[in-house]
Amino acid sequence: QITLRESGPTLVKPTQTLTLTCTLSGFSLNTTELGVGWIRQPPGKALEWLTLIYWDDDERYSPSLKTRLTITKDTPKNQVVFTMSNMDPVDTGTYYCALSTDGRRFFDYWGPGTLVTVSS
Amino acid sequence: DIQMTQSPSSLSASVGDRVTITCWASQPIRNYLHWYQQKPGIAPKLLIYAASNLQSGVPSRFSGSGSGTEFALTISSLQPEDFATYYCQQGYSAAFTFGPGTKVDIK
Repeated sequence: QITLRESGPTLVKPTQTLTLTCTLSGFSLNTTELGVGWIRQPPGKALEWLTLIYWDDDERYSPSLKTRLTITKDTPKNQVVFTMSNMDPVDTGTYYCALSTDGRRFFDYWGPGTLVTVSS
Repeated sequence: DIQMTQSPSSLSASVGDRVTITCWASQPIRNYLHWYQQKPGIAPKLLIYAASNLQSGVPSRFSGSGSGTEFALTISSLQPEDFATYYCQQGYSAAFTFGPGTKVDIK
């Protein structure tokens, strides 16, 4: 059974850096064609794709947020770590990690999401 | 960036209705178009991948079509559990993008 779970702080202050961890089970980060992405959703608003890392360490970023984002993976731990710098209240929302098991680049497994609030 | 648009942004329908949601890409994306369903407070669920392929376990009343820049998601007979928000997503470019969503609610 494939599961993903996000973990990290629920509250960050403006200007701080957010660090979230996605822990996968039932699937190895070494699997060819696999990608793990991060998607966020402000309250009551649409999904926004942020970043993705492939099995071969290829990294992709949203052009509008690229300067604030990093994504890395720890294959032995089966974890993907996401950071977003210089957090602002507009970055408040639910952050999801999601798995793409197919080269056609869709997300077939999702974590439950974690709500991050940016407030002083 | 590839921009995605959806129409309508919301619709009201009755159980048993046939519903079609349209998604456009700002440039050709072949069939790298995928559809998700999201209910309040729950992570999105993949319905259709590569424009027209039904994800395992998804009811056959859902179908997808299109290629290039114009795509559609059709629900042949709306069921109570289908009231939700639907998003398209392109996976063609290096940077993925989601559409703005279509909320389907009860008439």
